[in-house]
Amino acid sequence: KAGVTQTPRYLIKTRGQQVTLSCSPISGHRSVSWYQQTPGQGLQFLFEYFSETQRNKGNFPGRFSGRQFSNSRSEMNVSTLELGDSALYLCASSGGTSTYGYTFGSGTRLTVV
Amino acid sequence: SQQGEEDPQALSIQEGENATMNCSYKTSINNLQWYRQNSGRGLVHLILIRSNEREKHSGRLRVTLDTSKKSSSLLITASRAADTASYFCATDATGANSKLTFGKGITLSVRP
Repeated sequence: KAGVTQTPRYLIKTRGQQVTLSCSPISGHRSVSWYQQTPGQGLQFLFEYFSETQRNKGNFPGRFSGRQFSNSRSEMNVSTLELGDSALYLCASSGGTSTYGYTFGSGTRLTVV
Repeated sequence: SQQGEEDPQALSIQEGENATMNCSYKTSINNLQWYRQNSGRGLVHLILIRSNEREKHSGRLRVTLDTSKKSSSLLITASRAADTASYFCATDATGANSKLTFGKGITLSVRP
């Protein structure tokens, strides 16, 4: 059974640019959550999608957005990149609740220069 | 905001020893989960304990939960060098709707 796949693994962008990250959940999982991990703030929840609908959202500016497709794959987009957006972005998939825990991908390391 | 606060922040032990990590949280929870992360890679789910459970075992892992004190502990017995990693507790707060809140993590070093 394939795990959670995140692409790309590494990304270097310039301030002001935008970026799109992709996450393919475990087959059959309908929930995808996104987290940002930085040394200063730790792991912070961005948003969660379930069956193509955003079900929950963290405290991030509107520059951070996401969507989920009918095959449960999800993308997150960050517009007008800032240096502080440099982070490891992790996505996690589940069947829809946290009852059995989440399966995380290996993450996308975004560096903004 | 961080709900889970792990203690200690760093732990260094000899292979074969037991490692105990603690986590405190602030609100009512549905469950509490522990994850491991190796060198900035993805998180690996270790164990989940529900709010109505007090203790749970999985292999060399034992987790306890005290909802009256809003605290949990993770015990790794007979540690191995391969257990070297960062460990995070994460809470699924009541009403949080599938949002996990993580602590800042504990860095465990197991010396061979």
